[in-house]
Amino acid sequence: GALVYQYPRRTICKSGTSMRMECQAVGFQATSVAWYRQSPQKTFELIALSTVNSAIKYEQNFTQEKFPISHPNLSFSSMTVLNAYLEDRGLYLCGASTGGQEQYFGPGTRLTVL
Amino acid sequence: QQQVRQSSQSLTVWEGETAILNCSYENSAFDYFPWYQQFPGEGPALLIAIRSVSDKKEDGRFTIFFNKREKNLSLHIKDSQPGDSATYFCAASAAGGYKVVFGSGTRLLVSP
Repeated sequence: GALVYQYPRRTICKSGTSMRMECQAVGFQATSVAWYRQSPQKTFELIALSTVNSAIKYEQNFTQEKFPISHPNLSFSSMTVLNAYLEDRGLYLCGASTGGQEQYFGPGTRLTVL
Repeated sequence: QQQVRQSSQSLTVWEGETAILNCSYENSAFDYFPWYQQFPGEGPALLIAIRSVSDKKEDGRFTIFFNKREKNLSLHIKDSQPGDSATYFCAASAAGGYKVVFGSGTRLLVSP
């Protein structure tokens, strides 16, 4: 079956520092990877959508300068949160698709900023 | 403007009852509607999905009823179990796109 792993599961960083999170698809080819942030209130914000052989598309309020993403192959993607501040805390989710509209999620990386 | 709306933030049912979670959407271009189940501390898991060409999709105890004209759908959970207690997200996407738009979720509590 389709599995998506994310690591680390939890991370704490000091305000103003950066942290990198990774996403790995197992059992299928992740043609596209979407990164979301889920707030403590449970709402989902799409950060960016990365599709192989296409430019990464960032949503309004999110930029490559703040959330650089790498999607080097069909099984792996990473995203860095640069200069993290309190408003960046939340659960960062990676949703991977294999070309259809079904999107499979990893368990998320919970970011706490001190 | 919220494109996918879940009217109930929370719902409580007794064990054995049918839980009904409602969802509506704005964008007529949406043609794929997944429901995700999320337990605390975990990511959302794809539970069941329907395409707009269908009006019903059933998978075990879970059934989606879809009304394209009214732009709404509902997830029915038959014979609810305490283990079904979770937050359920209705979502939608348009053909040819990978962007999934989520509702705000309905927290379901099944009381024994």
